[in-house]
Amino acid sequence: GNSVTQMEGPVTLSEEAFLTINCTYTATGYPSLFWYVQYPGEGLQLLLKATKADDKGSNKGFEATYRKETTSFHLEKGSVQVSDSAVYFCALNTGNQFYFGTGTSLTVIP
Amino acid sequence: EAQVTQNPRYLITVTGKKLTVTCSQNMNHEYMSWYRQDPGLGLRQIYYSMNVEVTDKGDVPEGYKVSRKEKRNFPLILESPSPNQTSLYFCASSYGRARTDTQYFGPGTRLTVL
Repeated sequence: GNSVTQMEGPVTLSEEAFLTINCTYTATGYPSLFWYVQYPGEGLQLLLKATKADDKGSNKGFEATYRKETTSFHLEKGSVQVSDSAVYFCALNTGNQFYFGTGTSLTVIP
Repeated sequence: EAQVTQNPRYLITVTGKKLTVTCSQNMNHEYMSWYRQDPGLGLRQIYYSMNVEVTDKGDVPEGYKVSRKEKRNFPLILESPSPNQTSLYFCASSYGRARTDTQYFGPGTRLTVL
């Protein structure tokens, strides 16, 4: 079946640290991959996406590359800020349905 | 402004008292969906709709009903709520069902069933 597995949190980093949140997936066919971010008290917002193998999605300093050979879509940012504190969800879209990971909570301390 | 709206944002009710959570989108999207978010489980799809009068079950449909009489609205109905339906609910919409389509989410409704 289709599923998304992402690293468990919570993750706590100091400001300007490097961030990696791991995400791997299982899917039939050729899904698109997404990272959504959820700030406290809000709904999910699209952060970035990639629609085919080797595509790199990027936004607000975050990046993720669609790796078909390792079925991964790891989220990275070179220098996190306090304002990046949120819950991050990896997701895939098969065209029939969206599947979400369990979310990774990130706290950035000054 | 393009958005998905939900009402109410917070709701406390008692077991068995029917309730409806409304969802509306102003983007002329065909596809709409309801999710529940629970700690450690992420988001799980309850129901989805591909267009007016077309709805289908997601992964956790038991205890819920939906309807899609108009393109912009997709209400979630709990006919007889139970405490295990206490959760955070999100409505989402997308242009269509293509695998490249992005889902846009409402702000969420926090439901407590006593």
